[in-house]
Amino acid sequence: SQTIHQWPATLVQPVGSPLSLECTVEGTSNPNLYWYRQAAGRGLQLLFYSVGIGQISSEVPQNLSASRPQDRQFILSSKKLLLSDSGFYLCAWSVNAGGYGYTFGSGTRLTVV
Amino acid sequence: AQSVAQPEDQVNVAEGNPLTVKCTYSVSGNPYLFWYVQYPNRGLQFLLKYITGDNLVKGSYGFEAEFNKSQTSFHLKKPSALVSDSALYFCAVRDIGNAGNMLTFGGGTRLMVKP
Repeated sequence: SQTIHQWPATLVQPVGSPLSLECTVEGTSNPNLYWYRQAAGRGLQLLFYSVGIGQISSEVPQNLSASRPQDRQFILSSKKLLLSDSGFYLCAWSVNAGGYGYTFGSGTRLTVV
Repeated sequence: AQSVAQPEDQVNVAEGNPLTVKCTYSVSGNPYLFWYVQYPNRGLQFLLKYITGDNLVKGSYGFEAEFNKSQTSFHLKKPSALVSDSALYFCAVRDIGNAGNMLTFGGGTRLMVKP
């Protein structure tokens, strides 16, 4: 069966520090991968998505970047965090076919102080 | 373009009463429709989906949703609410013709079930 792992679960970082959040998927190949941010327990903001290794699409210009160094690994990064980067970050994967939805990771609560 | 709307930020219901969480969508073709639930500090969990066939879809935890093509709606329902149903609910849509399999999510509706 397919599983998605996202870590860490919580993170407190000072302003100006770097960030690296990792997401990995097991049990499937060539998944579509997504990074979302959720502010204050409300709506989802799509940050990045990837349909293959090295293929990253950015939905919102921001202080963040994403990379996909391996088929089932998706990394969200920042060189210098801002206070506004605080939020709940969610990784998700899907197959690129048919009526399949997304499967979400458990999320990372990032607090920038 | 595809879009989805959840017109209510919050729905309040008493335990034991029926609940409805509303969702309307817009697609150029035919839709795939989904409902997800999110508990505090957790990822979204899949509840149910409509792909084709019977307009009434049954899902996890006693939830169901009815696809209404003429009203472009996919409301989530449950006959008898539980306090443990209190959570954030998201509706999502994908146009069948969307080759990239991108889902568009609604803004979410917070369901509060009071004892």
